[in-house]
Amino acid sequence: NAGVTQTPKFQVLKTGQSMTLQCAQDMNHNSMYWYRQDPGMGLRLIYYSASEGTTDKGEVPNGYNVSRLNKREFSLRLESAAPSQTSVYFCASSVVYEQYFGPGTRLTVT
Amino acid sequence: GNSVTQMEGPVTLSEEAFLTINCTYTATGYPSLFWYVQYPGEGLQLLLKATKADDKGSNKGFEATYRKETTSFHLEKGSVQVSDSAVYFCALQIPNNNDMRFGAGTRLTVKP
Repeated sequence: NAGVTQTPKFQVLKTGQSMTLQCAQDMNHNSMYWYRQDPGMGLRLIYYSASEGTTDKGEVPNGYNVSRLNKREFSLRLESAAPSQTSVYFCASSVVYEQYFGPGTRLTVT
Repeated sequence: GNSVTQMEGPVTLSEEAFLTINCTYTATGYPSLFWYVQYPGEGLQLLLKATKADDKGSNKGFEATYRKETTSFHLEKGSVQVSDSAVYFCALQIPNNNDMRFGAGTRLTVKP
């Protein structure tokens, strides 16, 4: 099992460009999440999906959209990137209490 | 709202020293509490958890006890190793709620 995979690992964007971060899990989990990690702030939830076909906003959803394509895949889209979105992005999936995290995508917006 | 406060780092210890990382929480209801660990260049991994008051979570020599009276979940290890160098995150989750709240993280460096 690969667990939770994310692509790409690194990305540099110019202000105003768009991109989609991809996430997939092979553990048959219903719930999936997108977080951003910023220095001194821990992880903050952007969006989550409790099951296929549903998505909900987390703590910091502005500037992002998500798609739960199927049970395995949950993508995060930045329509018009801003420097404030420079961060490390983590995808996770969960069963009951434990969340399993991907390796992260380091995004820089210049 | 629900939140977690953990001691600021960085924490630097010598090998075999005793470790405590403090964590306190504010929550409505009865949260489950977690410690996650992040090694360099990796995602977070669950280290231990406790789901009700007075529960003790333990794993790999680390322990934490859910103290409802002091709203705390401090992480301890009796003898740290160089391989324990990582960032440690305290977190809480209200049952039946998908919103997990993390502390800011504490970076631990263990020197030989």
